[in-house]
Amino acid sequence: AQKITQTQPGMFVQEKEAVTLDCTYDTSDPSYGLFWYKQPSSGEMIFLIYQGSYDQQNATEGRYSLNFQKARKSANLVISASQLGDSAMYFCAMREGTGGFKTIFGAGTRLFVKA
Amino acid sequence: NAGVTQTPKFQVLKTGQSMTLQCAQDMNHEYMSWYRQDPGMGLRLIHYSVGAGITDQGEVPNGYNVSRSTTEDFPLRLLSAAPSQTSVYFCASRPDLYNEQFFGPGTRLTVL
Repeated sequence: AQKITQTQPGMFVQEKEAVTLDCTYDTSDPSYGLFWYKQPSSGEMIFLIYQGSYDQQNATEGRYSLNFQKARKSANLVISASQLGDSAMYFCAMREGTGGFKTIFGAGTRLFVKA
Repeated sequence: NAGVTQTPKFQVLKTGQSMTLQCAQDMNHEYMSWYRQDPGMGLRLIHYSVGAGITDQGEVPNGYNVSRSTTEDFPLRLLSAAPSQTSVYFCASRPDLYNEQFFGPGTRLTVL
């Protein structure tokens, strides 16, 4: 069965430093997609970054990058130069394989950025 | 574009009552989903639709019904509310399987 694991319930980072949020996944399908979403205290879900299982390069979007290690089944989110506004809940998610529609989410990691 | 809209934002029900959570999107997306978010558990898929007239169950479908008569609307019906259905409900849409989902603002439901 497919599964997403986020082992860090909470993380602290100093403003302007980089932080890595961990995500491991389990699937037997060779085709899948990995997503990261941000949920600030206001509650909305904001898409950050996407990585396809066949993508050769790690995805990057501004200050966000995805450290994709396929053999280890990990898809860690790296936030560079943290800002106070990065304080939020972060969810890793996986779309199931070829032709699949269902997306499963991890339990999330709450990030606190300190001034 | 309004994106994905949900109504109401907040709702309090008594056990046994029924109600419909509304969801609409104006992006002409074929794929729509309903999730519930509970503390410590992330989002769990309730039902989804891959187009008008086509729906299927997700991970936690019991106690909920959906229908998809138009591309734009995807209402979620609670048949007989139970305290275990107290949660935040999110509706989402996506244009295809390979792009991100666009989420509505959520509905906070409390069942007493």
